[in-house]
Amino acid sequence: AQTVTQSQPEMSVQEAETVTLSCTYDTSENNYYLFWYKQPPSRQMILVIRQEAYKQQNATENRFSVNFQKAAKSFSLKISDSQLGDTAMYFCAFMKTGTYKYIFGTGTRLKVLA
Amino acid sequence: GAVVSQHPSWVICKSGTSVKIECRSLDFQATTMFWYRQFPKQSLMLMATSNEGSKATYEQGVEKDKFLINHASLTLSTLTVTSAHPEDSSFYICSARVPGLAVSTDTQYFGPGTRLTVL
Repeated sequence: AQTVTQSQPEMSVQEAETVTLSCTYDTSENNYYLFWYKQPPSRQMILVIRQEAYKQQNATENRFSVNFQKAAKSFSLKISDSQLGDTAMYFCAFMKTGTYKYIFGTGTRLKVLA
Repeated sequence: GAVVSQHPSWVICKSGTSVKIECRSLDFQATTMFWYRQFPKQSLMLMATSNEGSKATYEQGVEKDKFLINHASLTLSTLTVTSAHPEDSSFYICSARVPGLAVSTDTQYFGPGTRLTVL
């Protein structure tokens, strides 16, 4: 069975600074996807970034980038130039290719301070 | 982008009654929808996979007879919590899969969730 672990329940960062959220996972699968989702106070889940496991290049989406270490089963999210609107709960998720089922971590609550 | 709606957004019911929650894909057809449950300050747990025109597939530990899922059309899936009890109080979220030309372009869109409170 796959597991996803987020060891930081809460984090805070000053506006315009950079913050890194950690995520580790455990799987025996070789083909899978990893995701970071954001859940703001509205509770609407929003996709932040996606990484295909077969790709060595780290995914980036504007201010968001990941550090994907497949051998270490690590998938951290870096948010650059943090904005107040980034305040939210962030979930790391695993999906075995072909299943379309997400396994979510426990989440990290990020607060961006003015 | 694709939009998924849920109705109602918030419902309160008495213990022993049944509650139906709707999940709709507004501008696309979703052959597959997923239902999740989220307890306060916790993660999302997959309950079941809903496929249009066939029976839902439930995750281990989820009671099929308690959480009835019907995927009647390509844009609508419903979750009915039967004989609800206070322990069923939770936030229920659906997602809909938009198949891509390649697996790498597959995307899931989430609904805004439904808060169920059972008194």
